[in-house]
Amino acid sequence: DAGVIQSPRHEVTEMGQEVTLRCKPISGHDYLFWYRQTMMRGLELLIYFNNNVPIDDSGMPEDRFSAKMPNASFSTLKIQPSEPRDSAVYFCASGPLAGGPASTDTQYFGPGTRLTVL
Amino acid sequence: GDSVTQMEGPVTLSEEAFLTINCTYTATGYPSLFWYVQYPGEGLQLLLKATKADDKGSNKGFEATYRKETTSFHLEKGSVQVSDSAVYFCALSVRTGGFKTIFGAGTRLFVKA
Repeated sequence: DAGVIQSPRHEVTEMGQEVTLRCKPISGHDYLFWYRQTMMRGLELLIYFNNNVPIDDSGMPEDRFSAKMPNASFSTLKIQPSEPRDSAVYFCASGPLAGGPASTDTQYFGPGTRLTVL
Repeated sequence: GDSVTQMEGPVTLSEEAFLTINCTYTATGYPSLFWYVQYPGEGLQLLLKATKADDKGSNKGFEATYRKETTSFHLEKGSVQVSDSAVYFCALSVRTGGFKTIFGAGTRLFVKA
């Protein structure tokens, strides 16, 4: 398996522009997570899905952020409009295995998208 | 609520030194415990895990034992290498009312040659 795939790897945009980050999870995983990582705030969970349904979006900073998972193999995180304070590395992760025991509760992270908003 | 507390970094060691990174947790259920590692420019990846009390997880010379009595999962390695320089995250997961993973703040390790 190719692992979790994220695109783009780097994104530089100007304040006010719309940004869309993409994620392809590992096939067979029930859960998909979006995280944001900054030096100041560390690793933050933004939202997670179970079987394509959003379960907990309490970490989404504000209405400018939205996430969708139209099918089991694709998810997007959108920021509209973007602001400089959104600059961070955004990670997508998937896991655990569908129907697996607790011993399989591992999250598999993608390489991240480094977002810079000027 | 559920939480993970790990020692603050950075931790700076010389090559071949002994490493300990402390991690304690609070959980209402019966969590699984994890150590993830993040190398520069990469995502987090699983280093080791333990799913029940007294289990020992091990990988690449790193070890951690699930201690229910002290609610701890300290990471150890007998002899660190420069290539171990990374950020280490302690985490727990629980399956009560769904699936949830809580990460610690991360501890940065620098190993000098």
